[in-house]
Amino acid sequence: DVKVTQSSRYLVKRTGEKVFLECVQDMDHENMFWYRQDPGLGLRLIYFSYDVKMKEKGDIPEGYSVSREKKERFSLILESASTNQTSMYLCASSFDRGVIKTQYFGPGTRLLVL
Amino acid sequence: GIQVEQSPPDLILQEGANSTLRCNFSDSVNNLQWFHQNPWGQLINLFYIPSGTKQNGRLSATTVATERYSLLYISSSQTTDSGVYFCAVENPGTYKYIFGTGTRLKVLA
Repeated sequence: DVKVTQSSRYLVKRTGEKVFLECVQDMDHENMFWYRQDPGLGLRLIYFSYDVKMKEKGDIPEGYSVSREKKERFSLILESASTNQTSMYLCASSFDRGVIKTQYFGPGTRLLVL
Repeated sequence: GIQVEQSPPDLILQEGANSTLRCNFSDSVNNLQWFHQNPWGQLINLFYIPSGTKQNGRLSATTVATERYSLLYISSSQTTDSGVYFCAVENPGTYKYIFGTGTRLKVLA
């Protein structure tokens, strides 16, 4: 079974803090993604990566950066956390085998910024 | 960009009832997935179904790509089916999946 893990289920941070969210997958997937989920807005893509050290902006990259130094690990960084970044953060990964790119999700991190 | 619409937004069922959830998308897609988000927030793959019909136990899905819609059928619903069901389509030529806003299902005992 594919396993995607995230470093924390719940996180409370102060405004201005630097926040690291980590995601690890164990299935040698090429692609990894970070989404945020907010009530009424569904899932929105922040960043994705299709290879080590490669990254592409998603739909809402402002205020975030990412790092992918190893294939299995994709980190989301909030350089200076703000209250409007309080959200549920979901990591996903997928193979890149031709046209089939089934996404598998981690359990999510609920971040509260005070 | 591609628009994904799901209906109904909310659904309440008695245990044992059947239901159909719909996903409409505005353009041709290569990939389509259905997910169930449980009350703890975990998104679980249900189907990868860019076209055709698949079944898995009490759940089945059909995608008619030429008419740009997909249906998720839940038969003999159980309380554990409660949660939010999302449809997601890949924007062709990109790695990006576009998610619908979901159908929130509540199954009453």
